[in-house]
Amino acid sequence: SSELTQDPAVSVALGQTVRITCQGDSLRSYSASWYQQKPGQAPVLVIYGKNNRPAGIPDRFSGSSSGNTASLTITGAQAEDEADYYCNSRDNSGSHLVVFGGGTELTVL
Amino acid sequence: EVQLVESGGGLVKPGESLRLSCAASGFIFRSFTMNWVRQAPGKGLEWVSSLSSSSTSINYADSVRGRFTISRDNAKDSLYLQMNSLRAEDMAVYYCARSQYGDYHFDSWGQGTLVTVSS
Repeated sequence: SSELTQDPAVSVALGQTVRITCQGDSLRSYSASWYQQKPGQAPVLVIYGKNNRPAGIPDRFSGSSSGNTASLTITGAQAEDEADYYCNSRDNSGSHLVVFGGGTELTVL
Repeated sequence: EVQLVESGGGLVKPGESLRLSCAASGFIFRSFTMNWVRQAPGKGLEWVSSLSSSSTSINYADSVRGRFTISRDNAKDSLYLQMNSLRAEDMAVYYCARSQYGDYHFDSWGQGTLVTVSS
C-alpha cells in the first residue's frame, strides 16, 4: 500500500520558522492535508488542499507541495504550536482510500 | 457548532464484538461523508473506514475489511462502526471524523472512544 513518510521529530526555536515534510508517491497526484494533535486531544485540521486554512487557524501555518513532497511551514513558531503533526492524502495504491503519515513531533525550544 | 460525540468503547476479549456510535450535531449530517480513524496507544493515526452521505460508497482499510462494518442513520444523525472478531491490534482510540465527498481531509473530529482488547 501507499505510504507517507514524515520525520519522527523536529525542533524549532521560539519565533523561528520550521518546515515539516511528508513524502509519498500519492502526493504526485493528490494534495496533502495537515493535522495538529496535542496530548490527550483529537487531531485538528490546520491545512488542506493546495494551501487552505480552516477558520480559526493562524496564518503562520502554510502548506506547499513539490513532486512527491508536501510541506507544512510554521512561520514564527509559538510555544502553543508544540504538538504532533500528521499529513494525509488520498491513497493511490488501490488498497486504501486514505493514508496518513507516521507523524512528526514538534518541539518548540 | 459542529459536534461529533463517540460512544460505545470499552474492554473486550479477543474474538468478541463491539459497536461504536458517533452522534453528530451542528451541521447537515446527511450531506457529508463520515469516517472512522483510529490511534493505537502511543502510535499514529490510521484511517479505518469511510461512508458516503447516502451510503452508496463504502471503503475499508485492509486491516479491518471483512471484520468491521460502517453504517449510518441519517434520520438520527448518527454513524456506527460494528467491530467483529476483535484482535489485540485493534486496541485504539477510535475517532469519527467528517469530510466532503471526494475530499480526503477531515475537517471535524470527535473526542474519541477507547477500545481495549485484552484477555
